[in-house]
Amino acid sequence: DVKVTQSSRYLVKRTGEKVFLECVQDMDHENMFWYRQDPGLGLRLIYFSYDVKMKEKGDIPEGYSVSREKKERFSLILESASTNQTSMYLCASSEPDRGNIQYFGAGTRLSVL
Amino acid sequence: AQSVTQLGSHVSVSEGALVLLRCNYSSSVPPYLFWYVQYPNQGLQLLLKYTSAATLVKGINGFEAEFKKSETSFHLTKPSAHMSDAAEYFCAVAKAAGNKLTFGGGTRVLVKP
Repeated sequence: DVKVTQSSRYLVKRTGEKVFLECVQDMDHENMFWYRQDPGLGLRLIYFSYDVKMKEKGDIPEGYSVSREKKERFSLILESASTNQTSMYLCASSEPDRGNIQYFGAGTRLSVL
Repeated sequence: AQSVTQLGSHVSVSEGALVLLRCNYSSSVPPYLFWYVQYPNQGLQLLLKYTSAATLVKGINGFEAEFKKSETSFHLTKPSAHMSDAAEYFCAVAKAAGNKLTFGGGTRVLVKP
């Protein structure tokens, strides 16, 4: 089974802090994604990566950056956390030739105080 | 840009009753269509997907969905609800050539005994 692991289930940070959310997948997938999930809005794509050191902006990249130094790891960075970034963050991975199926981690619930 | 609309953010059904979750999409080309389910405190997992084969798609846990091009719809059904079906359900669409998913806002299903 594909496993996508997010390093923290819950995080509490202060406004202005730099926050790192880590995601690791064990299936050698080329594509990795970061979403945020908010009630009524579904999942919105923040950034995605289709190869090591490659990244593309999603629909809501403002206030975020990403890093992919190794194929299995995709990090989401909040340079200066703000209260409006309080949300559930979900990481996913996929293989391009496998019908667009994405596999998700359990999520990180981030609270910014 | 693609969009996905799920009618009804909350649906309440009695155990044993039909579950019907509605999804409409906008796409200029025949898309890849998906239904994902999210159980409490978990990530999303794939229920089923449509990839231009049969228009009626069967998924896990007794769910199925029908692709209707003329109505740009991909509604999800289950003939008889079970308590374990209580979860949030997301419809998503992707272009065949790309790998980004656009999600609907989600429908939370409550199953009453």
